[in-house]
Amino acid sequence: EVQLVESGGGLVQPGGSLRLSCAASGFTFSSSWMSWVRQAPGKGLEWVANIKQDGSEKYYVDSVKGRFTISRDNAENSLYLQMSSLRAEDTALYYCVRYSTCFGDWGQGILVTVSS
Amino acid sequence: DIQMTQSPSTLSASVGDRVIITCRASQTLSSWLAWYQQKPGKAPKLLIYKASNLESGVPSRFSGSGSGTEFTLTISSLQPDDFATYYCQQYTTYRIFTFGPGTKVDIK
Repeated sequence: EVQLVESGGGLVQPGGSLRLSCAASGFTFSSSWMSWVRQAPGKGLEWVANIKQDGSEKYYVDSVKGRFTISRDNAENSLYLQMSSLRAEDTALYYCVRYSTCFGDWGQGILVTVSS
Repeated sequence: DIQMTQSPSTLSASVGDRVIITCRASQTLSSWLAWYQQKPGKAPKLLIYKASNLESGVPSRFSGSGSGTEFTLTISSLQPDDFATYYCQQYTTYRIFTFGPGTKVDIK
């Protein structure tokens, strides 16, 4: 069974930093593109970032370019999202997602709140 | 960038109704379009990929059609478990993914 478990969320002040982690199991992590998708409270889904199997390609939504960095550790079956210069509009539930047929497997999400 | 729209934004329906949700893209997607269902407090669930392919385990009352810039998700006979929000998503490349704004299906 595929499991994706996010951690590292919480309350952070504007301008601050936070690192999200996602522990993956139940599939061959090193063979999968992985993504982060977020959802602001009461709003729709927004794709945030993608990373290729070997980490050689990374893509971001325009609103986080230069502030967020996606990375992975295939030896640890883990995905990361380093977030810096956080803004109030980054407040959201962040999902770790495995790309299979499409976004076929999702974690339960982790809440990030940016507020003073 | 590709922009996605959905209509309607909200749909009120009864159990047994046939429900159709439309998704339009600002550029051609070929068939690289997926549909997701999300219930309150839950992660989204993939229903349809590549416009018309039913994800494993998804009931056959769900179907998808379309290509190019216009797509539809049809629920042939709405069931109580189907009241949720539905999102379309384009995935023409691995570089950028875009979701539609969502369609909430609620009880009439």
